[in-house]
Amino acid sequence: GESVGLHLPTLSVQEGDNSIINCAYSNSASDYFIWYKQESGKGPQFIIDIRSNMDKRQGQRVTVLLNKTVKHLSLQIAATQPGDSAVYFCAETAEGRRALTFGSGTRLQVQP
Amino acid sequence: KAGVTQTPRYLIKTRGQQVTLSCSPISGHRSVSWYQQTPGQGLQFLFEYFSETQRNKGNFPGRFSGRQFSNSRSEMNVSTLELGDSALYLCASSLVGGTTNEKLFFGSGTQLSVL
Repeated sequence: GESVGLHLPTLSVQEGDNSIINCAYSNSASDYFIWYKQESGKGPQFIIDIRSNMDKRQGQRVTVLLNKTVKHLSLQIAATQPGDSAVYFCAETAEGRRALTFGSGTRLQVQP
Repeated sequence: KAGVTQTPRYLIKTRGQQVTLSCSPISGHRSVSWYQQTPGQGLQFLFEYFSETQRNKGNFPGRFSGRQFSNSRSEMNVSTLELGDSALYLCASSLVGGTTNEKLFFGSGTQLSVL
């Protein structure tokens, strides 16, 4: 039931390594950014978010970095596990916009 | 608390037909959004509803429409189906929508295949 991109860039890592997934966003007026994880057959699941007044935010095993100057986001996953295998999307929006603009996604494959 | 529920899970239609997809948001959520996901275009915003009113619409032709009922459940309709409408249609809900102070929760989607 998954219709995620067949031509997605793929990041392949070994279990236990750290993963870094990058995203370029398009709208300089966006002030809120989210990372989603999408597993096969499921909808996107919230991982972590960050507002434009921050440049780094940490969660459990995940860190998001924001560089507004070059309109770039990254998601760092520490000690990557097989359960982290999925497609990861960044999304951008702003207060009142009522819609998310998604990046094209990156497939993360974790080798045991 | 049950998550966002979308029905049906899979749907096969032929060109020229119309289709209606259903979404039940999380209990208490009043904002419902719809997104189309395809391999070529990725995830694209269709529309957002709150209190039975469409508040925002993406860049899709008029064949794509939606509505929201008083219990916040939502339906989207696609008329005169084209092959390119084959996609995963995702519904998402949030409490009131339009604010970055609340998270968006997605359903598992309806996979539509147009033959």
